[in-house]
Amino acid sequence: EIVLTQSPGTLSLSPGERATLSCRASQSLTSSYLAWYQQKPGQAPSLLIYGASSRATGIPDRFSGSGSGTDFTLTISRLEPEDFAVYYCQQYGSSPTFGPGTKVEIK
Amino acid sequence: EVQLVESGGGLVQPGGSLSLSCAASGFTFSNYAMSWVRQAPGKGLEWVSAISGSGGSTYFADSVKGRFTISRDNSKNTLSLQMNSLRAEDTALYYCAKNYGDYLLSAFDIWGQGTMVTVSS
Repeated sequence: EIVLTQSPGTLSLSPGERATLSCRASQSLTSSYLAWYQQKPGQAPSLLIYGASSRATGIPDRFSGSGSGTDFTLTISRLEPEDFAVYYCQQYGSSPTFGPGTKVEIK
Repeated sequence: EVQLVESGGGLVQPGGSLSLSCAASGFTFSNYAMSWVRQAPGKGLEWVSAISGSGGSTYFADSVKGRFTISRDNSKNTLSLQMNSLRAEDTALYYCAKNYGDYLLSAFDIWGQGTMVTVSS
């Protein structure tokens, strides 16, 4: 099983600031099969990024994904009030697994 | 509008069974693999099972293999999860999710709102 580790666990930032979230895999991912999701309290997750760097339909361009192999990054260029949430990475190169999540909270 | 609506959750005793359903609308259901993903209260996400668009291929997490069965009825645009020999650790909100394409291993681009399963005596 591929284990995903996310850091930091919590990120405290102000609106307008840049957020950088990290996801590290225990082994190299096939063809960058890495996705990112946003989950707000009481809501289902929503897909942001797939294939490590492709934005899902309707996702604003302040969200970007990068990385390959074992190290991946989700960047939010300028935080909007609605971006404060929990973010999960997921690999789907083998039996799908999720990281434990990074909470982005208002500072 | 693309939509997934789960039903069937509830309270069940350890060792019991429960069947979940997911009604899909707004897309050509048979063209996409589908999955179940669960989230224990206050915890992260755990993928449970996937089924191909035709229903001919299925895939399970080790934690549920041999206890859970996934199926679909493409004539009714419905996905199902039959859960047997339930354990306390199966307690979670169960989400139905649409795979990104007809791939068992995939990202999930559409999610339902979930149905809660509680396993307790």
